[in-house]
Amino acid sequence: DAGVIQSPRHEVTEMGQEVTLRCKPISGHNSLFWYRQTMMRGLELLIYFNNNVPIDDSGMPEDRFSAKMPNASFSTLKIQPSEPRDSAVYFCASSFSGRGAETQYFGPGTRLLVL
Amino acid sequence: SQQGEEDPQALSIQEGENATMNCSYKTSINNLQWYRQNSGRGLVHLILIRSNEREKHSGRLRVTLDTSKKSSSLLITASRAADTASYLCATDYNNNDMRFGAGTRLTVKP
Repeated sequence: DAGVIQSPRHEVTEMGQEVTLRCKPISGHNSLFWYRQTMMRGLELLIYFNNNVPIDDSGMPEDRFSAKMPNASFSTLKIQPSEPRDSAVYFCASSFSGRGAETQYFGPGTRLLVL
Repeated sequence: SQQGEEDPQALSIQEGENATMNCSYKTSINNLQWYRQNSGRGLVHLILIRSNEREKHSGRLRVTLDTSKKSSSLLITASRAADTASYLCATDYNNNDMRFGAGTRLTVKP
């Protein structure tokens, strides 16, 4: 298996632009997580899905952020409009949420810079 | 905060020495996990210990859990330069609702 796949790996954009981050979880996993990591705040859970349904989006910073999971093999995290404070590394992770299988597998991350 | 907190924030040792990192948390957990993160990369799962377990081993890693003290420790024995990374603990409060600490930055000098 290729593991969790994220794209793009790097994104540089200007303030006000729309940014879309993409994630393909590991096949067979039914939970998907979006995290944001910065030096100041560490690793923060933004949202997680179970069986394509958003379960907890309390970590989504504000209405400018939205996430979708249209099917079991694809998810997007969108920021519109982007702001410089959104600059961070965004990680996607997936897991099989069966009993005793809570390990999360992380993608390589998308490094976002908003100018 | 529900997040685990690692201690120390940074640790520098010589190759061959043992490294011990600690994680404390505040409320009851289902399990606790340790992850490793190389600079600028994703996290890699190392080991999971459940709330009813006290100690687990995996290769050169030894993890302990003391639920009465709400703390865990990660011991890396016979460290290598390649062990240089950040080590984060993640506490699972509500099946898959994991919260990560800021991590301990370990530097192993050759």
